Amino acid sequence: TQLLEQSPQFLSIQEGENLTVYCNSSSVFSSLQWYRQEPGEGPVLLVTVVTGGEVKKLKRLTFQFGDARKDSSLHITAAQPGDTGLYLCAGGARNTDKLIFGTGTRLQVFP
Amino acid sequence: NAGVMQNPRHLVRRRGQEARLRCSPMKGHSHVYWYRQLPEEGLKFMVYLQKENIIDESGMPKERFSAEFPKEGPSILRIQQVVRGDSAAYFCASSPKREVYNEQFFGPGTRLTVL
Repeated sequence: TQLLEQSPQFLSIQEGENLTVYCNSSSVFSSLQWYRQEPGEGPVLLVTVVTGGEVKKLKRLTFQFGDARKDSSLHITAAQPGDTGLYLCAGGARNTDKLIFGTGTRLQVFP
Repeated sequence: NAGVMQNPRHLVRRRGQEARLRCSPMKGHSHVYWYRQLPEEGLKFMVYLQKENIIDESGMPKERFSAEFPKEGPSILRIQQVVRGDSAAYFCASSPKREVYNEQFFGPGTRLTVL
């Protein structure tokens, strides 16, 4: 069974701080997506990484896919209250069309 | 709105009734996926459909749950004889074609409450 563990589970920080969220598995994935979900809404796709070692930047967000394609990280620089939400990683495998979702990291950024 | 559409957004049913959830994929997308999110849990895959075909239903409960994606109209997730444990948020996602990278776009969800 493929599992994705995220850490930390909860994170409360002040505006302007930096943070990193981790997504780890013992399984290899062909792709890794990061989503953000706000209360009462569906997950919104932030990025897709597909190559081991790949780094993608989206404004203050930096995403990295591990060399072995088993893990990923999301780093946010100078967090803002608008970054508050549930961050989910999701892995895709070549032999299946379903996404395996991580356990989630709930981020709260205080002004 | 070119995004994935789901309705209703909120649905209240009494135990034993039927729940019918609808999903219209993004324009140009022919692949639909249903996921369930229980309170304080992550999203779990239920079923993957293409037009008129169920491709993978490995996440669907064996009884009471069914899904379809007809040639015309939205995809439907149907739950018969609902029980309190069915209370959850149900999300639909779509993708344009079978891709290597499994990139899926989600709708706003239907929140089902069973009284």
